[in-house]
Amino acid sequence: DTGVSQDPRHKITKRGQNVTFRCDPISEHNRLYWYRQTLGQGPEFLTYFQNEAQLEKSRLLSDRFSAERPKGSFSTLEIQRTEQGDSAMYLCASRIAGGYEQYFGPGTRLTVT
Amino acid sequence: QKEVEQDPGPLSVPEGAIVSLNCTYSNSAFQYFMWYRQYSRKGPELLMYTYSSGNKEDGRFTAQVDKSSKYISLFIRDSQPSDSATYLCAMSALNSGGSNYKLTFGKGTLLTVNP
Repeated sequence: DTGVSQDPRHKITKRGQNVTFRCDPISEHNRLYWYRQTLGQGPEFLTYFQNEAQLEKSRLLSDRFSAERPKGSFSTLEIQRTEQGDSAMYLCASRIAGGYEQYFGPGTRLTVT
Repeated sequence: QKEVEQDPGPLSVPEGAIVSLNCTYSNSAFQYFMWYRQYSRKGPELLMYTYSSGNKEDGRFTAQVDKSSKYISLFIRDSQPSDSATYLCAMSALNSGGSNYKLTFGKGTLLTVNP
């Protein structure tokens, strides 16, 4: 399968714990995005990488959130001191340079208890 | 007012019906328009994408964009039970600094096609 992959698919954590998600984009795609989707809503943009550079962050991305893409390939999204309001589906998408259509992974569903 | 408005439905149709899904938007900078299909608890799957105004057809699916009215549509012909899903419209603009293309989504319309 050469699509976008995400790991884990589901994470249950207690409030106050830290969690980290991983995204592996389509191999030739050097643009990578993170989105968050809550129940009954469309995905909302969180952050954007061009290669290893993080070029834009939404104001939704509080200082408890950090994202990296150290070698311009896979990316990680970490949430520190999780809160119940962080419960959502975290989606990763990628696109090729020069294209505009984005391809999404299956998402990581986070439940904070 | 949200940048992208989409009626969440739910929409229920019999098998074989023509389905019309719509979104309106307020940001005139949007130039790229996409429709995604999302099954329950799965990631969005890209169905159609168009640039600027006009029509695009792919099998049973037709996407229309009317930039003058800030209105986009997705038509599904001969709908099948397997088309039952949430349909999300999404759009993007070239940001002032370069090539971001971040997507702004509607809330999604839940469609059920009954056999």
